Amino acid sequence: ETGVTQSPTHLIKTRGQQVTLRCSSQSGHNTVSWYQQALGQGPQFIFQYYREEENGRGNFPPRFSGLQFPNYSSELNVNALELDDSALYLCASSLGTVQETQYFGPGTRLLVL
Amino acid sequence: RKEVEQDPGPFNVPEGATVAFNCTYSNSASQSFFWYRQDCRKEPKLLMSVYSSGNEDGRFTAQLNRASQYISLLIRDSKLSDSATYLCVVKPGTGTASKLTFGTGTRLQVTL
Repeated sequence: ETGVTQSPTHLIKTRGQQVTLRCSSQSGHNTVSWYQQALGQGPQFIFQYYREEENGRGNFPPRFSGLQFPNYSSELNVNALELDDSALYLCASSLGTVQETQYFGPGTRLLVL
Repeated sequence: RKEVEQDPGPFNVPEGATVAFNCTYSNSASQSFFWYRQDCRKEPKLLMSVYSSGNEDGRFTAQLNRASQYISLLIRDSKLSDSATYLCVVKPGTGTASKLTFGTGTRLQVTL
């Protein structure tokens, strides 16, 4: 296994609610990237955190926000949930922002009703 | 046009067959290329990096054609355990966040 953990594994929310997803990076890794994978699609880059600062963002609205903590674990927050937010949310950790190998966690499967 | 395009499949092949997946990318400044494998309801896992000179790992061979912006993956002697979705992945040049851009994936089903 990659050593990257995510919680919770599954979540059901209703439209308009807010959700927080958590990720613990592999030991020694200081960079966490978040991806959204809708059914039948490849993962889409949401944003990346490096040493507690956002370091790059994909084409996602501001209601998607994040945090990285001093121990390099990270949270993804989504406000005002919409039905289209239903997806698998993946975090990936790496050492630095340039290292090519990103190690993915098992993901959190979010269903918005 | 999508940044990374793949044939979604599915590719249904018998055990022992050779199968090839293709992928094209739109950003000519892309620097790094990969194939990831994703099993049903699991996370993507790095299968192999792709180098300009081509590279091989056992039954798997990856090729990159920068001029045509084309990447391929060849699987020889397919096994039942090769059944998965294969994601073509591209990373932009250095100096940027290590954002990975994924294709939609090509599904492979190997049968007896």
